[in-house]
Amino acid sequence: AQSVTQLDSQVPVFEEAPVELRCNYSSSVSVYLFWYVQYPNQGLQLLLKYLSGSTLVKGINGFEAEFNKSQTSFHLRKPSVHISDTAEYFCAVSDGGSEKLVFGKGTKLTVNP
Amino acid sequence: SQTIHQWPATLVQPVGSPLSLECTVEGTSNPNLYWYRQAAGRGLQLLFYSVGIGQISSEVPQNLSASRPQDRQFILSSKKLLLSDSGFYLCAWSVLGQGRGDTFFGQGTRLTVV
Repeated sequence: AQSVTQLDSQVPVFEEAPVELRCNYSSSVSVYLFWYVQYPNQGLQLLLKYLSGSTLVKGINGFEAEFNKSQTSFHLRKPSVHISDTAEYFCAVSDGGSEKLVFGKGTKLTVNP
Repeated sequence: SQTIHQWPATLVQPVGSPLSLECTVEGTSNPNLYWYRQAAGRGLQLLFYSVGIGQISSEVPQNLSASRPQDRQFILSSKKLLLSDSGFYLCAWSVLGQGRGDTFFGQGTRLTVV
């Protein structure tokens, strides 16, 4: 069975500072990895995904993530955050066969002025 | 382009009352459809998924049921709501086999059982 661990439930940062949101997964098969963002009382929007190929994945809004197979990690990074990045971020994994997603519990990113 | 509609946006229901949440997808055929629930502090949990009309798989035992009467319509129901059914319910769709692994989410329904 697959599982996802997001190590930080809340991350406060100041505007224009860099941020890293951590995600580790466990799976016995090859996986697809995703980061989604959720703004208050809204659905989820896909930020980026790793399916295969280059381990550094670039997404929308200046975010990027790096797939590290040996450490089973897929950490999300942004070099300089904005107030508008305040949201909850979810890491997810699927095995690519069923496309069912298994989510982590989420990380609430708060960007302060 | 594909769109997903989910309604209502918010709902307050008394314990013991029935529930019906509806989701429809436009612009695609034969999608996989999903119902997820987001409870405070617990992340997103897959409740049901469907690969075709009348085909429903339940991921967790619970007080809820799902139906797919048409290709692009997915309904979440309950005969008698419990307090523990409160949460944020999200409908989602994907198309198997496209190789992109994309799942698209509706705007969600905030259900409060009182």
